[in-house]
Amino acid sequence: AQSVAQPEDQVNVAEGNPLTVKCTYSVSGNPYLFWYVQYPNRGLQFLLKYITGDNLVKGSYGFEAEFNKSQTSFHLKKPSALVSDSALYFCAVRDKAGGGADGLTFGKGTHLIIQP
Amino acid sequence: KAGVTQTPRYLIKTRGQQVTLSCSPISGHRSVSWYQQTPGQGLQFLFEYFSETQRNKGNFPGRFSGRQFSNSRSEMNVSTLELGDSALYLCASSVTGDLTDTQYFGPGTRLTVL
Repeated sequence: AQSVAQPEDQVNVAEGNPLTVKCTYSVSGNPYLFWYVQYPNRGLQFLLKYITGDNLVKGSYGFEAEFNKSQTSFHLKKPSALVSDSALYFCAVRDKAGGGADGLTFGKGTHLIIQP
Repeated sequence: KAGVTQTPRYLIKTRGQQVTLSCSPISGHRSVSWYQQTPGQGLQFLFEYFSETQRNKGNFPGRFSGRQFSNSRSEMNVSTLELGDSALYLCASSVTGDLTDTQYFGPGTRLTVL
């Protein structure tokens, strides 16, 4: 079975400061990891994904994420936060061993609030 | 390229009724997945269709069903609506539905069951 944990319901960051949104995962085989962002009353927008290769993945809007196999983590980061980054962020996983039977499994989401 | 579109955007139904939601994927995408989003349970996988065949199904009762047409458009149906079916229903499309394929989401259909 595949699962994702986002340990923080909310993260508050001052504009201009670096931000980190945490994600840990559990899979039987190899993980395929994704980050999405959701703005109010909207669907999910894809930010980035890790499939294989370089542990540091760069994505849209200046976001990046670091895959850490030993810590089973895939934290989302940005060097300098913008007020417009305020939104709900979801980490998701697919397990290669699962063959896609469970679709994407999402974490509960983290509200990111960037204070001016 | 146009994104994933979902219709209608909002629906209000009463208990016991049935409802059909529609999803048009991005042009060229052959896989469509459906998800239910609620405050309590978060985002949960309903089912996935590829080339008109249901390929995977989540842990939902048989009241939830879907289909995919030859043009890759998909519909999902919920029969005998319950209050707990109130949710945002999201459709996502991808090129092949492979495990590594990015899923692109539509804006969702907000279903309210009274």
